Amino acid sequence: DADVTQTPRNRITKTGKRIMLECSQTKGHDRMYWYRQDPGLGLRLIYYSFDVKDINKGEISDGYSVSRQAQAKFSLSLESAIPNQTALYFCATSVDGVSGYTFGSGTRLTVV
Amino acid sequence: GENVEQHPSTLSVQEGDSAVIKCTYSDSASNYFPWYKQELGKRPQLIIDIRSNVGEKKDQRIAVTLNKTAKHFSLHITETQPEDSAVYFCAASVGSNYQLIWGAGTKLIIKP
Repeated sequence: DADVTQTPRNRITKTGKRIMLECSQTKGHDRMYWYRQDPGLGLRLIYYSFDVKDINKGEISDGYSVSRQAQAKFSLSLESAIPNQTALYFCATSVDGVSGYTFGSGTRLTVV
Repeated sequence: GENVEQHPSTLSVQEGDSAVIKCTYSDSASNYFPWYKQELGKRPQLIIDIRSNVGEKKDQRIAVTLNKTAKHFSLHITETQPEDSAVYFCAASVGSNYQLIWGAGTKLIIKP
C-alpha cells in the first residue's frame, strides 16, 4: 500500500550530536511536512516542502534543517541536539493541502 | 500569529452518550477545517473535514459544524463506543497554500 515511512522509529542520542530523521513516501504527493508533537501542545510545523526546489520554514524551525532529496524523500536534521528537542516527530504528505494529510508512524527522539 | 484554541483538553463520556469538541480559530480567511484522530501510539488520521462554504457535514456517527461568523467549529460524535477513545485534533487552514494551524488536542475517554 502507498504509505509514508519514517526511520528510525525510536532514537536516543546525546546532547550535541547531529542526528537525521528520514521520511520516504510512495503516495506520489508533492507536499511534505515535518512536525513535532509535544504533550499538550499539539502538532507544530518545523519545515515544509512543496517540491524538490521549494523548502520553507515552519513556526519552530530554529535548531533544525531539512533536505528534499527527491519527490519521495524528505529528511530532517538536528545539527546539535539539545534536550528540549526530545519529542515525537511526524512526517506527513499531502497532494494539495485540502485532501487530508497522510502521516508517517513517527520517530520518538530522546536527547540526553 | 494565527492560532486555534481547542476545548476541552480532556473529555470523559459514558459509552453510548454523545461527545462534543470545540475549536475556535483566529484567521477569518481560514476556509478548510479538518479533524484528526490519534489512537494511543499511532499516527494521526483524518476522520472528517469541512470547507467554509458548508455549515455541517456528517459521516455516520461523526459530524462537524462550522460557524464562520463566530469563527468556531465543532466535532460531534454520537453513540460513542470504546474505539472512539483517542486524542482528537482540529486544525484550520491559513494562507493560499492551505497551511494548517493545529489545536492542542482533546483526549476523549469512553467509560464502559
